[in-house]
Amino acid sequence: DAKTTQPPSMDCAEGRAANLPCNHSTISGNEYVYWYRQIHSQGPQYIIHGLKNNETNEMASLIITEDRKSSTLILPHATLRDTAVYYCIVNAGGTSYGKLTFGQGTILTVHP
Amino acid sequence: GAVVSQHPSRVICKSGTSVKIECRSLDFQATTMFWYRQFPKQSLMLMATSNEGSKATYEQGVEKDKFLINHASLTLSTLTVTSAHPEDSSFYICSAPHDRGNYGYTFGSGTRLTVV
Repeated sequence: DAKTTQPPSMDCAEGRAANLPCNHSTISGNEYVYWYRQIHSQGPQYIIHGLKNNETNEMASLIITEDRKSSTLILPHATLRDTAVYYCIVNAGGTSYGKLTFGQGTILTVHP
Repeated sequence: GAVVSQHPSRVICKSGTSVKIECRSLDFQATTMFWYRQFPKQSLMLMATSNEGSKATYEQGVEKDKFLINHASLTLSTLTVTSAHPEDSSFYICSAPHDRGNYGYTFGSGTRLTVV
């Protein structure tokens, strides 16, 4: 699986948009970009994933660059409960479920 | 959909005893289960991959005789930490891939193991 690079930490004011970047310059054509988050002492929670088109769901938006070498997770209106470690992972997904390899992620702190 | 139930959430055991952690897929069939370990302030590290009806595959450096994995059915995978020692104290998490809504992978809520 391709490796990802994320900033170790970011801060965001409550109510503002949180934009979390991820670099995945070695991503393969069949690899998806997945975002998970982990709140302290809990299992990771799925947020969103995409292949090449931008995606939006009730939690977040995912913007993938045209060359697919980087992406940005956007939490449009961050709340204190969004404070967590956010992991960007690339994986083939689909019908060939390889193992997910976690990097260090980004610690997002949302402050009042 | 695609829920994995993990038990227990917390366990404290004495050094030298064994502890079993269960992960059940509640509304789908988990043919594969990934087991992770997470030490404080570190990321998740994959320990092993279990497939229903076959032997688990362990990552390099993980002792298969110490971390016994059983995946006898499509809805249950277990991890047994045998002869636990304080250095085995960690947060253990299971994860199963699925095809519900193309979410990919769902995770258990984790088990905090403390060996005293």
